[in-house]
Amino acid sequence: DVKVTQSSRYLVKRTGEKVFLECVQDMDHENMFWYRQDPGLGLRLIYFSYDVKMKEKGDIPEGYSVSREKKERFSLILESASTNQTSMYLCASSPVGQGAPYEQYFGPGTRLTVT
Amino acid sequence: GEDVEQSLFLSVREGDSSVINCTYTDSSSTYLYWYKQEPGAGLQLLTYIFSNMDMKQDQRLTVLLNKKDKHLSLRIADTQTGDSAIYFCAERGGADGLTFGKGTHLIIQP
Repeated sequence: DVKVTQSSRYLVKRTGEKVFLECVQDMDHENMFWYRQDPGLGLRLIYFSYDVKMKEKGDIPEGYSVSREKKERFSLILESASTNQTSMYLCASSPVGQGAPYEQYFGPGTRLTVT
Repeated sequence: GEDVEQSLFLSVREGDSSVINCTYTDSSSTYLYWYKQEPGAGLQLLTYIFSNMDMKQDQRLTVLLNKKDKHLSLRIADTQTGDSAIYFCAERGGADGLTFGKGTHLIIQP
């Protein structure tokens, strides 16, 4: 089974702190994604990566950066956390393939609270 | 741009059928998906349908696709308490990934 793990289920940080959220997948997937999920807003894509050291902005990249130094690991960085970044963060990965159903496999999520 | 719309809440009685609806705007969508999110968990793929299909059935789940109206529905027969979750509709349009709806909270009444 595909497994996507996230470093923490719950995290509490102070305003202004630098925050690292880690995601690891074990299926050699090329694509990895970071979403945030907020009530009434659904999932919004922050960044995605289609290869090592490659990244693309999603719909809401402001205030975030990412790092992908190894294929299996995709990190989301909040350079200076703010209270409006309190949210559930979901990581996902998917393979690349023509004609494939392109399923995204999700981690369990990290609930980040910024005080 | 791409947009996926679905209602935020649906309440049904245990044992009845649930029908969750979704509309999308990208006519070039190749695959359409239903994901399920149980409380405190990540999203899990429930089922998907290829855009050249009208219907797909998998045990208690039936997916209907009306490509002309860009309407997708998920029917859950004999709804059980374990079906209580948030259901996300998603489409695959371009190469960059999936576009998700805001999710429908399915509430089961005894």
